[in-house]
Amino acid sequence: ELKVEQNPLFLSMQEGKNYTIYCNYSTTSDRLYWYRQDPGKSLESLFVLLSNGAVKQEGRLMASLDTKARLSTLHITAAVHDLSATYFCAPNRDDKIIFGKGTRLHILP
Amino acid sequence: NAGVTQTPKFRILKIGQSMTLQCAQDMNHNYMYWYRQDPGMGLKLIYYSVGAGITDKGEVPNGYNVSRSTTEDFPLRLELAAPSQTSVYFCASSYGGPPGYADTQYFGPGTRLTVL
Repeated sequence: ELKVEQNPLFLSMQEGKNYTIYCNYSTTSDRLYWYRQDPGKSLESLFVLLSNGAVKQEGRLMASLDTKARLSTLHITAAVHDLSATYFCAPNRDDKIIFGKGTRLHILP
Repeated sequence: NAGVTQTPKFRILKIGQSMTLQCAQDMNHNYMYWYRQDPGMGLKLIYYSVGAGITDKGEVPNGYNVSRSTTEDFPLRLELAAPSQTSVYFCASSYGGPPGYADTQYFGPGTRLTVL
């Protein structure tokens, strides 16, 4: 059974700082997704990571995947208030996409 | 394209009532999913489908049923509603594709259900 653990679950940080969200998963997976959710809204796809060593970047967000360690990271560079949201990782196994509990990110101006 | 649509947006049910949450997509996606999200929590997979006529259980299927008679529609049925089913329900779809394909999952706007 695929289990997903995100750390931290809550993060409050100052604008301009860097930080990393960690996503560990328990069994092999052939894709890993990152999503953003704003309060009261639906989910928006950010990245799909396929292979070991994959790195994708969009603006101040960069996601990476280490399939051997079963670890993905979402790195935030020079945070801005607009990035305040909840971020979810979700690996895929046997056609099931299983979500972590999410990291609630609050960026202080 | 409308993408993934869900109806209704909100619903209040009494204990023991039944209802169907509708989900449709117009992107010709093979895969469709139902999730529930409890307040402050992640999403839990209820059921999923890899194509018309094929459905399978996710993490929390008890109390729910699904069908997939067409590629476009994937309704979720709640029988004998219970307070524990109070949640926000999200439908999602994706193309599918083989391993190595960068499949993107698209989400509907959600249905907020309260069972009293």
